[in-house]
Amino acid sequence: EDQVTQSPEALRLQEGESSSLNCSYTVSGLRGLFWYRQDPGKGPEFLFTLYSAGEEKEKERLKATLTKKESFLHITAPKPEDSATYLCAVQGPDGQNFVFGPGTRLSVLP
Amino acid sequence: NAGVTQTPKFQVLKTGQSMTLQCAQDMNHNSMYWYRQDPGMGLRLIYYSASEGTTDKGEVPNGYNVSRLNKREFSLRLESAAPSQTSVYFCASRTSRGRREITNEKLFFGSGTQLSVL
Repeated sequence: EDQVTQSPEALRLQEGESSSLNCSYTVSGLRGLFWYRQDPGKGPEFLFTLYSAGEEKEKERLKATLTKKESFLHITAPKPEDSATYLCAVQGPDGQNFVFGPGTRLSVLP
Repeated sequence: NAGVTQTPKFQVLKTGQSMTLQCAQDMNHNSMYWYRQDPGMGLRLIYYSASEGTTDKGEVPNGYNVSRLNKREFSLRLESAAPSQTSVYFCASRTSRGRREITNEKLFFGSGTQLSVL
């Protein structure tokens, strides 16, 4: 059974304090690993897709990396507007189902 | 561009009542999905439709039915609502052609429906 766990559950950072979020997964044949950002009261918004171990993607202060068992979302010098819940999801070999983790709730304090 | 539109945004039901959640996308996507989101449990798939005319059960289908009305619209029906169905419901869509290198695999989500069943 495909599973995704995320840690920590919640993270509070001071503005400018870099950190990383973890996504650990178990899937029988990874087709893709996805990171989404979700603001309160809104639907998730796509950030990155990673397809194979060793791959990295960057967008502004965010960088996502992938190994065979986990993915990290690195946040460099975060700003208060980076505060959100970050969701990780894996897509299995059938290509249709996406299994989501519970998310990490990030708060960046000014 | 509207993207994925869900209605209603909020709904309160009494146990045993029925209702239909509506979802429409204007991106010409093939696949559509219904998820529920509960605290600490992440998004869980209820039903999905890989293409017009097909529907399949997800992880938590009990108590729900779906209809893929056409390529744009995918509705979720609760026939007899129960308190355990109190949740936030999200509709999503994506292009799906089965070949990763040409397929935009990412899901596009609506803004959600907050449903309370008393």
